[in-house]
Amino acid sequence: DQQVKQNSPSLSVQEGRISILNCDYTNSMFDYFLWYKKYPAEGPTFLISISSIKDKNEDGRFTVFLNKSAKHLSLHIVPSQPGDSAVYFCAASGDFGNEKLTFGTGTRLTIIP
Amino acid sequence: KAGVTQTPRYLIKTRGQQVTLSCSPISGHRSVSWYQQTPGQGLQFLFEYFSETQRNKGNFPGRFSGRQFSNSRSEMNVSTLELGDSALYLCASRISGGAFYEQYFGPGTRLTVT
Repeated sequence: DQQVKQNSPSLSVQEGRISILNCDYTNSMFDYFLWYKKYPAEGPTFLISISSIKDKNEDGRFTVFLNKSAKHLSLHIVPSQPGDSAVYFCAASGDFGNEKLTFGTGTRLTIIP
Repeated sequence: KAGVTQTPRYLIKTRGQQVTLSCSPISGHRSVSWYQQTPGQGLQFLFEYFSETQRNKGNFPGRFSGRQFSNSRSEMNVSTLELGDSALYLCASRISGGAFYEQYFGPGTRLTVT
């Protein structure tokens, strides 16, 4: 049972345009969400997070939006740069600090120069 | 500060064998978590250790086990390997009580079971 779903396995975007990565979840107990970025041969690195008490969090070129009623979150990258090409995982937690993270299956983003 | 290190980086084993993977966390980090990454399932949580005790556990069979030593280094063991155990195994460390965004991943061990 996949509680966190990333339905697009891949996405290609022109450099300079906006990249939008989507993530859906089914467990209403999740209250903290994170995005990780992964390059080949490296472990995932934390990108940005959002608590369920917010609907938006911004950090430079990266913005995460959370729609609790739809159980949907998205990551916006603008403008997209070639170095953004990587696999992006969304993850969710039910208890800030101690609980396990439940990850999605990932979306491979390719930025076309 | 040195990052999370995992050894070995690559491993090939035969079905039925057992394997031990090692993870050295960042100095000062006492929590170590293990994840399995496969193409179809993404990253799946195996277990988390803190102060030599298993604190959380995912939904994996008992063939998957782990331990943590007093220096916070952790090992993961898989017994009676199956073809489906072929995956990238990642460990991540964080400080005691640290938030998940303070979790740092190692490069992983690529296990191939033939």
